[in-house]
Amino acid sequence: AQSVTQLDSHVSVSEGTPVLLRCNYSSSYSPSLFWYVQHPNKGLQLLLKYTSAATLVKGINGFEAEFKKSETSFHLTKPSAHMSDAAEYFCVVSVRSGSARQLTFGSGTQLTVLP
Amino acid sequence: GAVVSQHPSRVICKSGTSVKIECRSLDFQATTMFWYRQFPKQSLMLMATSNEGSKATYEQGVEKDKFLINHASLTLSTLTVTSAHPEDSSFYICSARDSGRDLSYNEQFFGPGTRLTVL
Repeated sequence: AQSVTQLDSHVSVSEGTPVLLRCNYSSSYSPSLFWYVQHPNKGLQLLLKYTSAATLVKGINGFEAEFKKSETSFHLTKPSAHMSDAAEYFCVVSVRSGSARQLTFGSGTQLTVLP
Repeated sequence: GAVVSQHPSRVICKSGTSVKIECRSLDFQATTMFWYRQFPKQSLMLMATSNEGSKATYEQGVEKDKFLINHASLTLSTLTVTSAHPEDSSFYICSARDSGRDLSYNEQFFGPGTRLTVL
């Protein structure tokens, strides 16, 4: 079985300061990991994905995440927050479950960007 | 590329009526689509996996007679909420896997969601 823990339900940063959204996972097998962003009443947009290639993954809008197997972490970072980054962020793990692959979602982190 | 649409984006219905939500992959074929439900300020919960040409696989606790899923073509899956009640009010999101891509890591493309309100 797999699970995802997003350590912070809410993160507030000032515009122009770094963003850190934390995610830990557990998985019996080599996982694929994703970060999605959801703006109010909108669907999910993929920010980036880890699929066992490079451990440092660069995504859209200046976001990146580093896969650390020893720490079972996949934290999302951005050097400088923008007002448009305010949204809900989901860390997601995918592993094989029987013959199918399922996505397991974290509980989400609400990012607030202060002017 | 890899765009998924949902229709309608918002629907309000009376208790006891049925509502159909469509999920389409616009520029790729999807043998597998997924239906999720999201309550306010909560994460997405997988309801069922929809497989083209075969029966859907429902997650534990999801009533298959309540939430009818049909995946009749490689680009369309529908979710019908039958005899809807206020507790069915939620945000329903579909996703699709691109059959032409590497499926080993299960990347899914998400629709914009459908807000269902049952009065």
